[in-house]
Amino acid sequence: GENVEQHPSTLSVQEGDSAVIKCTYSDSASNYFPWYKQELGKRPQLIIDIRSNVGEKKDQRIAVTLNKTAKHFSLHITETQPEDSAVYFCAASGGTSYGKLTFGQGTILTVHP
Amino acid sequence: NAGVMQNPRHLVRRRGQEARLRCSPMKGHSHVYWYRQLPEEGLKFMVYLQKENIIDESGMPKERFSAEFPKEGPSILRIQQVVRGDSAAYFCASSPPWRLDDNEQFFGPGTRLTVL
Repeated sequence: GENVEQHPSTLSVQEGDSAVIKCTYSDSASNYFPWYKQELGKRPQLIIDIRSNVGEKKDQRIAVTLNKTAKHFSLHITETQPEDSAVYFCAASGGTSYGKLTFGQGTILTVHP
Repeated sequence: NAGVMQNPRHLVRRRGQEARLRCSPMKGHSHVYWYRQLPEEGLKFMVYLQKENIIDESGMPKERFSAEFPKEGPSILRIQQVVRGDSAAYFCASSPPWRLDDNEQFFGPGTRLTVL
């Protein structure tokens, strides 16, 4: 089955800096890669996703890149703000993981004012 | 359009009791997924169901855990004879009935189970 590795486990940045979180996956047939933000005690919320037919997607301060050959994808947050502080999870689905999401271990992002 | 609903939001059980967690998917969604999140860990897939069918239960413990999604009513995750290690947040997610390999899953607020 699919295995997703996520790094770093914690990330601390100053307000206004950029933050980058990286994930690798094992199943070359996976074709859907969402990123979720989870605040303490809350539900995971989708912030951006990318499908295997594109290499990059942007939504305001958030962007995701996908390298299918290397089987890795990254989340980029620019101009970080304190309200970006949360746990971020990457995930993969498709291929042998039809339907279900396989999540990375999570990254605790702290943005210092 | 109401989102994914889960109840109860918090559930306290003593060791050996049963826990029943309910999930109502978004309107029009016929696929339900259950995930477990242990304290300070990521989400782990448990089971994927469609109406009256279990599609993938590869993440479910072999004993004490069962899930159903009947023709009418919510999906139920049932844990029999709970142990302290079952304490976790249990999230339900739903997706619409078309291509499954690239659809957003919408998560419910979760049920936080505490086993005393």
